[in-house]
Amino acid sequence: EAQVTQNPRYLITVTGKKLTVTCSQNMNHEYMSWYRQDPGLGLRQIYYSMNVEVTDKGDVPEGYKVSRKEKRNFPLILESPSPNQTSLYFCASSPRTSREDEQFFGPGTRLTVL
Amino acid sequence: GESVGLHLPTLSVQEGDNSIINCAYSNSASDYFIWYKQESGKGPQFIIDIRSNMDKRQGQRVTVLLNKTVKHLSLQIAATQPGDSAVYFCAETTSGTYKYIFGTGTRLKVLA
Repeated sequence: EAQVTQNPRYLITVTGKKLTVTCSQNMNHEYMSWYRQDPGLGLRQIYYSMNVEVTDKGDVPEGYKVSRKEKRNFPLILESPSPNQTSLYFCASSPRTSREDEQFFGPGTRLTVL
Repeated sequence: GESVGLHLPTLSVQEGDNSIINCAYSNSASDYFIWYKQESGKGPQFIIDIRSNMDKRQGQRVTVLLNKTVKHLSLQIAATQPGDSAVYFCAETTSGTYKYIFGTGTRLKVLA
């Protein structure tokens, strides 16, 4: 089944404790992206990647890191989480060809930073 | 999940009626627009898209209208069903970039 998977789905942590949220897609998509979703603000793009070893900042990159060592994986790293990073996080992937731009989203990761 | 919908505008429609959800987009250079549906506890799901060289595009029970003059996008759902109850987002992007801007969303409630 074609899908985007995220782990963990739920995480409660404390300020300053490094964490990684994994994202994996099995559709051989070149484009992957991370978003956070907060009440009243909609989805905001954190980082995106056009291909392996190519990443760039979205609108809200502060406090986050990403890497794209393999095409299928795009982990989101919070080196020193803070309470304002409490949010619902979504990973997405897309073929990004001229005719297929649809983004496929993962199920989400709910992160709480105490 | 539910918490992201607490501050959203809500559209309530009777089952079987048509629904119209509106979105004002922000960037006049945007040339590709997408509507997503997000059910409680799930990630956004693609519904329909439209490029800026079109004014209208139809799918199964859904139609998207684009008015570039006033930077307005709408999603029409025909014969709304209980399964259409969800939060609906518009998104915009520009060819050659890889950034997406999402609207804040509208909650659609279908009344039986």
